[in-house]
Amino acid sequence: EAGVTQFPSHSVIEKGQTVTLRCDPISGHDNLYWYRRVMGKEIKFLLHFVKESKQDESGMPNNRFLAERTGGTYSTLKVQPAELEDSGVYFCASSQDQKENTEAFFGQGTRLTVV
Amino acid sequence: AQSVTQLGSHVSVSEGALVLLRCNYSSSVPPYLFWYVQYPNQGLQLLLKYTTGATLVKGINGFEAEFKKSETSFHLTKPSAHMSDAAEYFCAVRGGFQKLVFGTGTRLLVSP
Repeated sequence: EAGVTQFPSHSVIEKGQTVTLRCDPISGHDNLYWYRRVMGKEIKFLLHFVKESKQDESGMPNNRFLAERTGGTYSTLKVQPAELEDSGVYFCASSQDQKENTEAFFGQGTRLTVV
Repeated sequence: AQSVTQLGSHVSVSEGALVLLRCNYSSSVPPYLFWYVQYPNQGLQLLLKYTTGATLVKGINGFEAEFKKSETSFHLTKPSAHMSDAAEYFCAVRGGFQKLVFGTGTRLLVSP
Protein backbone atom coordinates (compact mmCIF):
# COMPACT_ATOMS: atom_id res chain seq x y z
CA GLU A 1 0.00 0.00 0.00
CA ALA A 2 1.39 3.39 -0.99
CA GLY A 3 2.01 5.89 1.74
CA VAL A 4 1.45 9.63 1.70
CA THR A 5 3.22 11.08 -1.32
CA GLN A 6 4.31 14.67 -1.75
CA PHE A 7 5.53 16.48 -4.85
CA PRO A 8 7.99 18.00 -5.41
CA SER A 9 10.52 16.90 -2.82
CA HIS A 10 12.42 20.16 -3.22
CA SER A 11 11.55 23.52 -4.74
CA VAL A 12 13.64 26.65 -5.06
CA ILE A 13 11.82 29.76 -6.23
CA GLU A 14 12.40 33.47 -6.25
CA LYS A 15 10.55 35.86 -4.01
CA GLY A 16 7.32 36.91 -5.66
CA GLN A 17 6.87 33.72 -7.64
CA THR A 18 4.13 31.15 -7.21
CA VAL A 19 4.63 27.58 -6.05
CA THR A 20 2.15 24.74 -5.79
CA LEU A 21 2.77 21.77 -3.55
CA ARG A 22 0.85 18.55 -3.98
CA CYS A 23 -0.08 15.81 -1.53
CA ASP A 24 -1.57 12.41 -2.34
CA PRO A 25 -2.93 10.84 0.86
CA ILE A 26 -3.27 7.17 1.55
CA SER A 27 -6.19 5.80 -0.45
CA GLY A 28 -9.40 5.88 1.57
CA HIS A 29 -8.18 8.42 4.09
CA ASP A 30 -10.77 11.16 4.39
CA ASN A 31 -8.65 13.32 6.68
CA LEU A 32 -5.75 15.29 5.24
CA TYR A 33 -3.51 17.71 7.12
CA TRP A 34 -0.86 20.21 6.13
CA TYR A 35 1.95 21.17 8.50
CA ARG A 36 5.03 23.35 8.10
CA ARG A 37 8.41 23.45 9.78
CA VAL A 38 10.39 26.64 9.51
CA MET A 39 14.12 26.14 10.03
CA GLY A 40 14.92 25.07 13.58
CA LYS A 41 11.44 25.58 14.89
CA GLU A 42 8.54 23.32 15.70
CA ILE A 43 6.31 21.65 13.15
CA LYS A 44 3.19 23.77 12.99
CA PHE A 45 -0.30 22.85 11.91
CA LEU A 46 -1.66 24.69 8.88
CA LEU A 47 -5.02 23.11 8.08
CA HIS A 48 -7.20 20.02 8.10
CA PHE A 49 -9.49 18.69 5.36
CA VAL A 50 -12.25 16.18 5.83
CA LYS A 51 -12.87 14.94 2.33
CA GLU A 52 -13.10 18.14 0.28
CA SER A 53 -14.15 20.41 3.16
CA LYS A 54 -11.84 22.51 5.32
CA GLN A 55 -12.43 21.38 8.90
CA ASP A 56 -9.87 23.69 10.50
CA GLU A 57 -7.70 26.27 8.76
CA SER A 58 -6.66 28.15 11.88
CA GLY A 59 -2.96 27.63 11.18
CA MET A 60 -2.83 29.21 7.74
CA PRO A 61 -0.42 32.14 8.09
CA ASN A 62 -2.06 34.60 5.68
CA ASN A 63 -4.05 34.90 2.48
CA ARG A 64 -1.03 34.18 0.30
CA PHE A 65 -1.63 30.52 1.11
CA LEU A 66 -4.44 28.65 -0.60
CA ALA A 67 -5.21 24.99 -0.01
CA GLU A 68 -7.61 22.92 -2.05
CA ARG A 69 -8.80 19.36 -2.11
CA THR A 70 -11.15 19.08 -5.03
CA GLY A 71 -12.92 15.74 -5.13
CA GLY A 72 -11.66 14.80 -1.73
CA THR A 73 -8.58 13.00 -3.02
CA TYR A 74 -5.27 14.79 -3.49
CA SER A 75 -4.63 18.26 -2.12
CA THR A 76 -2.64 21.24 -3.31
CA LEU A 77 -1.13 24.08 -1.31
CA LYS A 78 -0.38 27.18 -3.34
CA VAL A 79 1.78 30.02 -2.13
CA GLN A 80 1.31 33.21 -4.14
CA PRO A 81 3.34 35.37 -4.07
CA ALA A 82 6.07 33.60 -2.11
CA GLU A 83 8.06 35.50 0.51
CA LEU A 84 11.42 34.67 2.09
CA GLU A 85 9.77 33.65 5.38
CA ASP A 86 7.78 30.97 3.59
CA SER A 87 10.91 28.84 3.33
CA GLY A 88 10.68 25.58 5.24
CA VAL A 89 9.55 22.01 5.00
CA TYR A 90 5.89 21.41 4.27
CA PHE A 91 4.49 18.12 5.49
CA CYS A 92 1.27 16.46 4.54
CA ALA A 93 -0.42 13.78 6.64
CA SER A 94 -3.54 11.68 6.34
CA SER A 95 -5.66 9.58 8.66
CA GLN A 96 -8.58 7.25 8.22
CA ASP A 97 -10.84 8.84 10.80
CA GLN A 98 -10.95 11.53 13.46
CA LYS A 99 -10.73 9.33 16.52
CA GLU A 100 -8.24 10.85 18.91
CA ASN A 101 -6.05 7.77 19.07
CA THR A 102 -5.88 7.38 15.30
CA GLU A 103 -2.41 7.57 13.79
CA ALA A 104 -1.70 10.22 11.20
CA PHE A 105 0.68 9.06 8.46
CA PHE A 106 3.12 11.64 7.17
CA GLY A 107 4.73 12.17 3.81
CA GLN A 108 8.41 12.92 3.26
CA GLY A 109 7.77 16.62 3.03
CA THR A 110 8.50 19.29 0.43
CA ARG A 111 11.48 21.50 1.17
CA LEU A 112 10.67 24.98 -0.11
CA THR A 113 13.40 27.56 -0.44
CA VAL A 114 12.48 31.11 -1.38
CA VAL A 115 15.44 33.22 -2.50
CA ALA B 1 -4.44 25.20 24.61
CA GLN B 2 -1.95 22.39 24.28
CA SER B 3 1.82 22.82 24.06
CA VAL B 4 4.95 20.68 24.11
CA THR B 5 8.46 21.44 25.32
CA GLN B 6 11.40 19.30 24.31
CA LEU B 7 14.52 19.96 26.37
CA GLY B 8 17.70 19.83 24.34
CA SER B 9 17.82 20.42 20.60
CA HIS B 10 20.71 17.93 20.37
CA VAL B 11 21.48 14.86 22.46
CA SER B 12 24.70 12.89 21.99
CA VAL B 13 25.19 9.34 23.23
CA SER B 14 27.64 6.54 22.61
CA GLU B 15 26.53 3.35 20.95
CA GLY B 16 25.18 1.03 23.65
CA ALA B 17 24.37 3.85 26.07
CA LEU B 18 20.96 4.77 27.42
CA VAL B 19 18.90 7.15 25.31
CA LEU B 20 16.72 9.67 27.16
CA LEU B 21 14.83 12.34 25.24
CA ARG B 22 12.75 14.68 27.36
CA CYS B 23 9.25 15.92 26.64
CA ASN B 24 6.94 17.96 28.83
CA TYR B 25 3.44 18.88 27.80
CA SER B 26 0.69 21.24 28.75
CA SER B 27 -2.90 20.27 28.15
CA SER B 28 -6.23 21.43 29.51
CA VAL B 29 -7.77 18.02 28.81
CA PRO B 30 -6.49 14.46 29.25
CA PRO B 31 -3.68 14.33 26.72
CA TYR B 32 -3.06 12.05 23.81
CA LEU B 33 0.72 11.98 23.36
CA PHE B 34 2.91 10.85 20.48
CA TRP B 35 6.55 10.44 19.60
CA TYR B 36 7.52 10.66 15.95
CA VAL B 37 10.94 10.07 14.39
CA GLN B 38 12.37 11.49 11.19
CA TYR B 39 15.29 9.63 9.68
CA PRO B 40 17.40 11.46 7.08
CA ASN B 41 15.54 12.06 3.84
CA GLN B 42 12.40 10.38 5.14
CA GLY B 43 9.02 11.46 6.45
CA LEU B 44 7.79 11.42 10.03
CA GLN B 45 7.20 7.95 11.39
CA LEU B 46 5.18 7.16 14.50
CA LEU B 47 7.31 5.58 17.23
CA LEU B 48 4.66 5.21 19.88
CA LYS B 49 1.57 6.82 21.34
CA TYR B 50 -0.21 7.15 24.66
CA THR B 51 -3.97 7.43 24.65
CA THR B 52 -5.43 5.81 27.77
CA GLY B 53 -4.61 2.83 29.94
CA ALA B 54 -1.08 1.67 30.67
CA THR B 55 1.24 4.59 31.32
CA LEU B 56 4.33 2.78 30.04
CA VAL B 57 4.06 2.58 26.29
CA LYS B 58 6.29 0.44 24.11
CA GLY B 59 7.01 1.39 20.54
CA ILE B 60 9.03 0.27 17.58
CA ASN B 61 12.81 -0.27 17.52
CA GLY B 62 13.04 -0.84 21.28
CA PHE B 63 11.82 2.59 22.33
CA GLU B 64 9.41 3.21 25.16
CA ALA B 65 7.89 6.21 26.92
CA GLU B 66 6.21 6.70 30.25
CA PHE B 67 3.28 9.05 30.78
CA LYS B 68 3.60 10.80 34.14
CA LYS B 69 0.61 13.01 34.81
CA SER B 70 2.03 14.48 38.02
CA GLU B 71 5.13 15.64 36.16
CA THR B 72 3.33 16.42 32.87
CA SER B 73 6.05 14.44 31.14
CA PHE B 74 6.32 11.85 28.40
CA HIS B 75 10.04 11.11 28.14
CA LEU B 76 11.32 8.71 25.47
CA THR B 77 13.91 6.08 26.41
CA LYS B 78 15.85 3.22 24.90
CA PRO B 79 18.18 1.07 27.03
CA SER B 80 20.92 0.73 24.43
CA ALA B 81 21.51 3.11 21.54
CA HIS B 82 22.31 1.85 18.07
CA MET B 83 23.93 3.79 15.27
CA SER B 84 20.71 3.47 13.28
CA ASP B 85 18.84 5.46 15.96
CA ALA B 86 20.50 8.66 14.80
CA ALA B 87 17.57 10.82 13.70
CA GLU B 88 15.39 13.71 14.81
CA TYR B 89 12.67 12.96 17.33
CA PHE B 90 9.47 14.92 17.84
CA CYS B 91 7.09 14.82 20.76
CA ALA B 92 3.50 15.85 20.05
CA VAL B 93 0.19 16.26 21.85
CA ARG B 94 -3.20 16.04 20.21
CA GLY B 95 -4.76 19.49 20.03
CA GLY B 96 -8.22 20.51 19.06
CA PHE B 97 -9.89 19.21 15.90
CA GLN B 98 -7.44 16.29 15.72
CA LYS B 99 -4.41 18.44 14.88
CA LEU B 100 -1.04 17.64 16.42
CA VAL B 101 0.95 20.19 18.40
CA PHE B 102 4.66 19.42 18.12
CA GLY B 103 7.74 20.28 20.09
CA THR B 104 10.81 21.75 18.43
CA GLY B 105 12.45 18.36 17.98
CA THR B 106 15.58 16.73 19.39
CA ARG B 107 18.35 15.50 17.14
CA LEU B 108 19.93 12.32 18.47
CA LEU B 109 23.59 11.78 17.60
CA VAL B 110 25.08 8.33 18.20
CA SER B 111 28.83 7.90 18.22
CA PRO B 112 30.72 4.60 17.92
